[in-house]
Amino acid sequence: EVHLVESGGGLVQPGGSLRLSCVASGFSFSSNWMSWVRQAPGRGLEWVANIKEDGSEKYYVDSVKGRFTVSRDNAKNSLYLQMNGLRADDAAMYYCTRGFGATDYWGQGTLVTVSS
Amino acid sequence: EIVLTQSPGTLSLSPGERATLSCRASQSVSSNYLNWFQQKPGQAPRLLIHDASSRATGIPDRFSGSGSGTDFTLTISRLEPEDFAIYYCQQYSRSPITFGQGTRLEIK
Repeated sequence: EVHLVESGGGLVQPGGSLRLSCVASGFSFSSNWMSWVRQAPGRGLEWVANIKEDGSEKYYVDSVKGRFTVSRDNAKNSLYLQMNGLRADDAAMYYCTRGFGATDYWGQGTLVTVSS
Repeated sequence: EIVLTQSPGTLSLSPGERATLSCRASQSVSSNYLNWFQQKPGQAPRLLIHDASSRATGIPDRFSGSGSGTDFTLTISRLEPEDFAIYYCQQYSRSPITFGQGTRLEIK
């Protein structure tokens, strides 16, 4: 059974940093694109970033370029999102998902709150 | 970026009725790289339909997707109580990947 478990969310001040992690199990992690999608409270879904199977390609939504970095460690079946320069509009539930577009498995999310 | 506009914003129907949800793209979605997701309160989204018309694993056949180019439709043939949720379309034919704003399907 496929499982994606996110961690690392929390309360951070504007301008601060957080590193989100996602541990995957139940499938061949190294053979799949992985993505991060976020959802602000009461709002819709927003794709944030994705990363190719071997980490050689990475893509980001414009609003996080230069501030967020997606990475992975296939030996640890883990996906990461390093978030720097956090702003109030980055506050959201962050979901780890399997796939590039048709993301067929999602974690339960980790909540990021940005407030002073 | 490709903007996806979903209509209606809210759809009020009764169990057993047919639901038709629309997703219109600001530019053509090549290769029909258009997906549909369902989200219930407090839950992560679930993939229903990928590539415009292919049901994801385990999705009941009352869900169907159609369309091409800029106009796509999700149809639920006979609504079950568990189908009342928010539905999002998503395109991945051009970066950035974008979602529609969602259609809320509520019990009438």
